[in-house]
Amino acid sequence: DVKVTQSSRYLVKRTGEKVFLECVQDMDHENMFWYRQDPGLGLRLIYFSYDVKMKEKGDIPEGYSVSREKKERFSLILESASTNQTSMYLCASSYAGQGVYGELFFGEGSRLTVL
Amino acid sequence: GNSVTQMEGPVTLSEEAFLTINCTYTATGYPSLFWYVQYPGEGLQLLLKATKADDKGSNKGFEATYRKETTSFHLEKGSVQVSDSAVYFCALVHGGATNKLIFGTGTLLAVQP
Repeated sequence: DVKVTQSSRYLVKRTGEKVFLECVQDMDHENMFWYRQDPGLGLRLIYFSYDVKMKEKGDIPEGYSVSREKKERFSLILESASTNQTSMYLCASSYAGQGVYGELFFGEGSRLTVL
Repeated sequence: GNSVTQMEGPVTLSEEAFLTINCTYTATGYPSLFWYVQYPGEGLQLLLKATKADDKGSNKGFEATYRKETTSFHLEKGSVQVSDSAVYFCALVHGGATNKLIFGTGTLLAVQP
């Protein structure tokens, strides 16, 4: 069964802490994504990566960074967490081949609370 | 820029009722259109898609038709079940290998027995 696994389902951090959210996929996908999901705002793209060590900013990259050292792993980093980063974070991956545009596979999400 | 607009929820229906969730989009050219579903406590999963005008996507009794003349992709189901209770997201992508999806805000569907 194909899988995208996010390391933590629930996290509670304090303002100013450095936070790492880890995501691993076992489908050998080229593309990986980090979204945040907030009520009334839907999903907003933070960063994505289309290859190892490659990254591109999404729509709301401020306050975040990412790392992709291996194809299967994509990490989201909050350098100094703030309360407005309290949210549900969703990782996704996809194959880059022809004919499969838009088919993303999502993890179960990491709910982060920043106090 | 490209965007997706969905009807606001929650949508509350009785079991076996007919479902419509409206979705309209703004995009240049010919995007591909999708419906994703998020069941409680889970991540999103692809429900159905359509890649060109007049295509109909279907899965699990749900259908949606890509209408370019009205820039719409409304989700329908003839008879909903309690197990269909979830959040439904309409989305578009403009092709390209990066699969950068643009999502609507989501519509919560609650089906009561």
